[in-house]
Amino acid sequence: DQQVKQNSPSLSVQEGRISILNCDYTNSMFDYFLWYKKYPAEGPTFLISISSIKDKNEDGRFTVFLNKSAKHLSLHIVPSQPGDSAVYFCAASGSGNTGKLIFGQGTTLQVKP
Amino acid sequence: GAGVSQSPSNKVTEKGKDVELRCDPISGHTALYWYRQSLGQGLEFLIYFQGNSAPDKSGLPSDRFSAERTGGSVSTLTIQRTQQEDSAVYLCASSRGRVRSPYNSPLHFGNGTRLTVT
Repeated sequence: DQQVKQNSPSLSVQEGRISILNCDYTNSMFDYFLWYKKYPAEGPTFLISISSIKDKNEDGRFTVFLNKSAKHLSLHIVPSQPGDSAVYFCAASGSGNTGKLIFGQGTTLQVKP
Repeated sequence: GAGVSQSPSNKVTEKGKDVELRCDPISGHTALYWYRQSLGQGLEFLIYFQGNSAPDKSGLPSDRFSAERTGGSVSTLTIQRTQQEDSAVYLCASSRGRVRSPYNSPLHFGNGTRLTVT
């Protein structure tokens, strides 16, 4: 069963506009959510995270929103830049106490110049 | 080292052979994780180490897969009698291992080992 889902495999956005990546989860025991970014032939790198006690966390051009009642989170990138083109993974933690992350399938973002 | 190091970066093997994949975590990181990413798929959890013990092996797909960690540092993932469906990128990650605080101690990934079973 897929506990973390990213239903959009890809997204294309014009440079300077907003990119919105979405993620849904099913396990109400998750208490931390993270976004990772992955370039080809590299490992994922941590981007931003949010605790379940918050509904928004902002870091520069990146903002993560959490809607617990809908079991939904989103990553907003504004303004989008060509260097943001990568695969973005949503991840969740909290079911157990191992720090293990459950990842979504990823969304490929292409930012066009 | 500055980051998580994995070797080899690429491995091509014949079906039925055994392979060993190595991970050197960031110095001082007590938690170590193995994941794999099959073509077009997300990251699939395999196993978690805290120090040298593996309290969560729930993601290992079959008994052909095993892993060990020695000295609280280097880890080796072994796949015996490889099958074509084992072809994937195997990713290792480490963290400071503060329980229930991935918010402050996110996983740091290596670049992975691309395994191709022919």
